[in-house]
Amino acid sequence: GIQVEQSPPDLILQEGANSTLRCNFSDSVNNLQWFHQNPWGQLINLFYIPSGTKQNGRLSATTVATERYSLLYISSSQTTDSGVYFCAVSNAGKSTFGDGTTLTVKP
Amino acid sequence: SAVISQKPSRDICQRGTSLTIQCQVDSQVTMMFWYRQQPGQSLTLIATANQGSEATYESGFVIDKFPISRPNLTFSTLTVSNMSPEDSSIYLCSVGTGGSNYGYTFGSGTRLTVV
Repeated sequence: GIQVEQSPPDLILQEGANSTLRCNFSDSVNNLQWFHQNPWGQLINLFYIPSGTKQNGRLSATTVATERYSLLYISSSQTTDSGVYFCAVSNAGKSTFGDGTTLTVKP
Repeated sequence: SAVISQKPSRDICQRGTSLTIQCQVDSQVTMMFWYRQQPGQSLTLIATANQGSEATYESGFVIDKFPISRPNLTFSTLTVSNMSPEDSSIYLCSVGTGGSNYGYTFGSGTRLTVV
């Protein structure tokens, strides 16, 4: 099956700093999503981005499908950005998740 | 995009008992997916549930332990049977959001603790 690797596994930032999270995947996919899991366990869909670039406020994402990676950018980080960020890829339905990046933003 | 109502949101259960988790979707969907997230871990697919046929289980998951029902195109249940503390996890259901621009959406999850 498809392998998904996320880096870094852990990231600690001061409020206001910028960060880049990376997701590498081992095969071509027709779906890639970035999620933020909040402290209550709920998965919040950030981006559906199988290719190209999207932006939503302080967050943006880029997927280079031909090179099998995606990047999530967080600018001017806030304490509420803390949590686990997952990359998930899929073909024909079922999703494979990376191990996640745990982000801690300190005030 | 599809909206999923999942319940219960959390439960504490005695070992040896069973818990049934429900997912209701506000639109008809062909496939529903059930995931498990063990503490501190990523999400792992348990099974894919299609209406009118038996669920397809991933390696390491069996029907006797995780029976799934899919009576119609908007509803599914996952039962965690004969629970042990190792079953303590978050369980989530997921569906495709329809169209080509939304990917998959997830229920709010069921946080299960087995004591």
